[in-house]
Amino acid sequence: DAGITQSPRHKVTETGTPVTLRCHQTENHRYMYWYRQDPGHGLRLIHYSYGVKDTDKGEVSDGYSVSRSKTEDFLLTLESATSSQTSVYFCAISDPTDLQETQYFGPGTRLLVL
Amino acid sequence: SQQGEEDPQALSIQEGENATMNCSYKTSINNLQWYRQNSGRGLVHLILIRSNEREKHSGRLRVTLDTSKKSSSLLITASRAADTASYFCATDPPGTASKLTFGTGTRLQVTL
Repeated sequence: DAGITQSPRHKVTETGTPVTLRCHQTENHRYMYWYRQDPGHGLRLIHYSYGVKDTDKGEVSDGYSVSRSKTEDFLLTLESATSSQTSVYFCAISDPTDLQETQYFGPGTRLLVL
Repeated sequence: SQQGEEDPQALSIQEGENATMNCSYKTSINNLQWYRQNSGRGLVHLILIRSNEREKHSGRLRVTLDTSKKSSSLLITASRAADTASYFCATDPPGTASKLTFGTGTRLQVTL
């Protein structure tokens, strides 16, 4: 998985609790992304980052926030989890100098909100 | 909203046969990529085709792009059981700076 780890890999939480998912990379890639994957929807972009402290919203950002204080770490926070946020979350990285514009994906985090 | 829609949603073939998946998208693009996802895993990049290209090959993969119809196809020749996976197209519209929009995927099952 191209030097990308996600933690935790599985989490069960209750509605209304805060949740933070971590993405860690060892590739020194500048761009990082958070997606959620749900049946029938493919992957949808939540937030992305073009560099340290440089983040922006994606297609489905409501209810999520992110932070990137170091190149290697990109955190996704659900401030108050809801059942609609039950999903599989993927982190991805890319290098803007890559002519193939490849995104490399982490193994995913399965989140269940009860 | 989804930029790409794959067709069919599911495809079942026998080993040795060819598999063709199609992707349609809505807006103009810089490039189109195809990714594979094995069950329970992250996506893996397969191939990129730029908007000024019509066809591209990589091993047993052949990708075509028709920008006038806003569609692409992925052909896997001589399929193997190991090709069983979901396949997604992803587009990179102009002005989106490396943000990809993924389709809903085609689930391919290759049986022995």
